[in-house]
Amino acid sequence: DAGVIQSPRHEVTEMGQEVTLRCKPISGHDYLFWYRQTMMRGLELLIYFNNNVPIDDSGMPEDRFSAKMPNASFSTLKIQPSEPRDSAVYFCASSASGAGDGYTFGSGTRLTVV
Amino acid sequence: AQTVTQSQPEMSVQEAETVTLSCTYDTSESDYYLFWYKQPPSRQMILVIRQEAYKQQNATENRFSVNFQKAAKSFSLKISDSQLGDAAMYFCAYRSWGTSGSRLTFGEGTQLTVNP
Repeated sequence: DAGVIQSPRHEVTEMGQEVTLRCKPISGHDYLFWYRQTMMRGLELLIYFNNNVPIDDSGMPEDRFSAKMPNASFSTLKIQPSEPRDSAVYFCASSASGAGDGYTFGSGTRLTVV
Repeated sequence: AQTVTQSQPEMSVQEAETVTLSCTYDTSESDYYLFWYKQPPSRQMILVIRQEAYKQQNATENRFSVNFQKAAKSFSLKISDSQLGDAAMYFCAYRSWGTSGSRLTFGEGTQLTVNP
């Protein structure tokens, strides 16, 4: 398996633009997580899905953020409109059902909003 | 809510020496899992080791081992024979199926420097 695949690896955009981050989880994993990592706040859980259904989106900062998982092999995180404070590394991770299974993380997307 | 605390923002060790990274957590649950993740400068998050709370035996993976003290809610990581490639940010994490759902809760991280 190629692991969790995220794209793009780097994204630079101007304030006010729409940004879409993409994730392909490991086949057979039924949990998918989106995290944001910053120096100030560390790793924050934004939202997670189970069997393509959003379970908890309480970590989504505000209405500018939205996430979808239309099928078991694809998820998107969208920011519209983007702001400089959204600059961070965004990780996607997937996991099988067992609590003992750690996450497998993607390589992350470094987002810079100027 | 579960919390994970890493009280050492930075640690350093000489190559070939042993270092221990500390982690404490707070939970009211009895069944859970603990993990250590490594994040090198490449930023890839890599699972280093996991511990099941109901197992008393401490987990070991090659040069990495843990000291799990369930009553004290402590979960430290020991790295033996440190190598330059061990330099990274290390995160302690907690996961259960209780009130936290299935999410991983991470500590703040410990930046490990390995000196040649």
